[in-house]
Amino acid sequence: EVQLVETGGGLVQPGKSLKLTCATSGFTFSTAWMHWVRQSPEKRLEWIARIKDKSNNYATDYVESVKGRFTISRDDSKSSVYLQMNSLKEEDTATYYCTTPEGTGYFDFWGPGTMVTVSS
Amino acid sequence: DIQMTQSPSSMSASLGDRVTITCQASQDIGNNLIWFQQKPGKSPRPMIYYATNLANGVPSRFSGSRSGSDYSLTISSLESEDMADYHCLQYKQYPYTFGAGTKLELK
Repeated sequence: EVQLVETGGGLVQPGKSLKLTCATSGFTFSTAWMHWVRQSPEKRLEWIARIKDKSNNYATDYVESVKGRFTISRDDSKSSVYLQMNSLKEEDTATYYCTTPEGTGYFDFWGPGTMVTVSS
Repeated sequence: DIQMTQSPSSMSASLGDRVTITCQASQDIGNNLIWFQQKPGKSPRPMIYYATNLANGVPSRFSGSRSGSDYSLTISSLESEDMADYHCLQYKQYPYTFGAGTKLELK
């Protein structure tokens, strides 16, 4: 059974940092492209980052609003993907999901999400 | 970036109704579009992929279609379990972009 579980969310002040972890199991993580998607309190979904696998040099892509502040990374030995979030802003408040198109090719697998609240 | 204009933002319908939700792409995305269903407190669930293909386990009353830059999700006969939020996603190019979502409620 495929499982993805995000952890690391919480309440953080503007300007501070937070690191999210997505632990996975049940599929071949090392060849999977992993994505982070967030959902605002208004329920708008936003794709934010992707990391490819080793054969694709772990290439990354980001949405403009997080470029230079967020970093996606992975540890294939732990079947985990990470999202380092720096210089957080109130508009980064959201539920953060990890997901992958591995297997079906169409984002069939999602974690339950972890909530991040940026507020003073 | 490719903009996905989704409509309506909300709608109410009766059981048995035929319901259609649309996303218009600002650039060519081919058929690289997914429709997601999301219920309160749950993660998104893909319903349609590559614009017209039914995802695993999705009832046949759901269908997807394309007309030019307009992509539609249709529920042929609404059931109570279909009340949810629906989102489209283009995965033609990065950054991937979602529509603003449609809240489907029971009339």
